[in-house]
Amino acid sequence: DAGITQSPRYKITETGRQVTLMCHQTWSHSYMFWYRQDLGHGLRLIYYSAAADITDKGEVPDGYVVSRSKTENFPLTLESATRSQTSVYFCASSPRSRGTGELFFGEGSRLTVL
Amino acid sequence: GENVEQHPSTLSVQEGDSAVIKCTYSDSASNYFPWYKQELGKGPQLIIDIRSNVGEKKDQRIAVTLNKTAKHFSLHITETQPEDSAVYFCAAVGGNSGYSTLTFGKGTMLLVSP
Repeated sequence: DAGITQSPRYKITETGRQVTLMCHQTWSHSYMFWYRQDLGHGLRLIYYSAAADITDKGEVPDGYVVSRSKTENFPLTLESATRSQTSVYFCASSPRSRGTGELFFGEGSRLTVL
Repeated sequence: GENVEQHPSTLSVQEGDSAVIKCTYSDSASNYFPWYKQELGKGPQLIIDIRSNVGEKKDQRIAVTLNKTAKHFSLHITETQPEDSAVYFCAAVGGNSGYSTLTFGKGTMLLVSP
């Protein structure tokens, strides 16, 4: 199916382990984003990418690494997971520049760090 | 950076009543204000947006108003239905140079009772 897909949808890991959340979009949108959603904080931007090989930090980038070697993929890696990174992670894409375009969100990846 | 405050955090109404969610923003340069609806277990989805050169926009039962002087904008839902129950996020984006990302409010959980 066309659209934006995230995997895995659910993940349980332990403190200190490396975790990678995958995001794939089929629209060839230029911009891709990673948000985390936590109760009381809403949606907070972790990283975003304007194009392949171009990434930039968002509001809460510490502890996360991203890459974008291909336009359609934007993986998010937690190099050494901590309990504070327990959250629901949303990937999104957008075809427009300057932030005024619609964001298309995936269905989320729920990560629990024990 | 931009700061978006959203109220109330929860809102309960009876089916058929109207619901109003209010947001304020801090950056006077912000010029685009979208609203997203998030149903349980899904990613947020754009429902309506407004740009700074417009004071009001309607789409069937939903409308958004913008007061640039006061730096606040609101979502109005009339004739609410149980399927309107969801979390609603306001957001703002602007800036005069480069790429500006969305800043989201913390969300409002709307519950419409039959």
